[in-house]
Amino acid sequence: DTTVKQNPRYKLARVGKPVNLICSQTMNHDTMYWYQKKPNQAPKLLLFYYDKILNREADTFEKFQSSRPNNSFCSLYIGSAGLEYSAMYLCASSRGTTNTGQLYFGEGSKLTVL
Amino acid sequence: GDSVTQTEGLVTVTEGLPVKLNCTYQTTYLTIAFFWYVQYLNEAPQVLLKSSTDNKRTEHQGFHATLHKSSSSFHLQKSSAQLSDSALYYCALSPGYQNFYFGKGTSLTVIP
Repeated sequence: DTTVKQNPRYKLARVGKPVNLICSQTMNHDTMYWYQKKPNQAPKLLLFYYDKILNREADTFEKFQSSRPNNSFCSLYIGSAGLEYSAMYLCASSRGTTNTGQLYFGEGSKLTVL
Repeated sequence: GDSVTQTEGLVTVTEGLPVKLNCTYQTTYLTIAFFWYVQYLNEAPQVLLKSSTDNKRTEHQGFHATLHKSSSSFHLQKSSAQLSDSALYYCALSPGYQNFYFGKGTSLTVIP
């Protein structure tokens, strides 16, 4: 089974409210990623976990939080959603970061902030 | 910094004709891996091709691409487009095999 599952697939949130997105994979991959995808823009890496080590991109450091309670699950948390957070959020996993392995993506969670 | 450029946002091609999707990159790393991902409607992106060897042609599902480090390119080509090829295509760079940088994507539409 080479699937990555994301929940919810669609999320409607009010400005100022928190948002929690969930991702799971059963491939025993040690690295899990979160990307943000907006129309006409490249998927933007927000953060990734290598095992239990969290790496966050400098320009989104304060906007997103994450947790990885075990190897299979990874969450993306927005403490106070703003309109600019409306986007598709893609979770992906891979075996390690220093290899030529590919990313396995979930179908995405579409967040709309009103 | 590392970056990937896909010049066409939308490409329309007639079924049976050849198609080429352009992708160029910038990186200071000598060791790189390159990928083409395809995303069909309502599905997750999935890898189509990958390569880390200069000047070696890689093929899968009728598509092919050759990594040319001299021109910093990894264009995707197919000799005869099919209706089922309609999808969103991303090229992605993994410089030093660490992290992945994506292009904006090219939406390919194949018409009868």
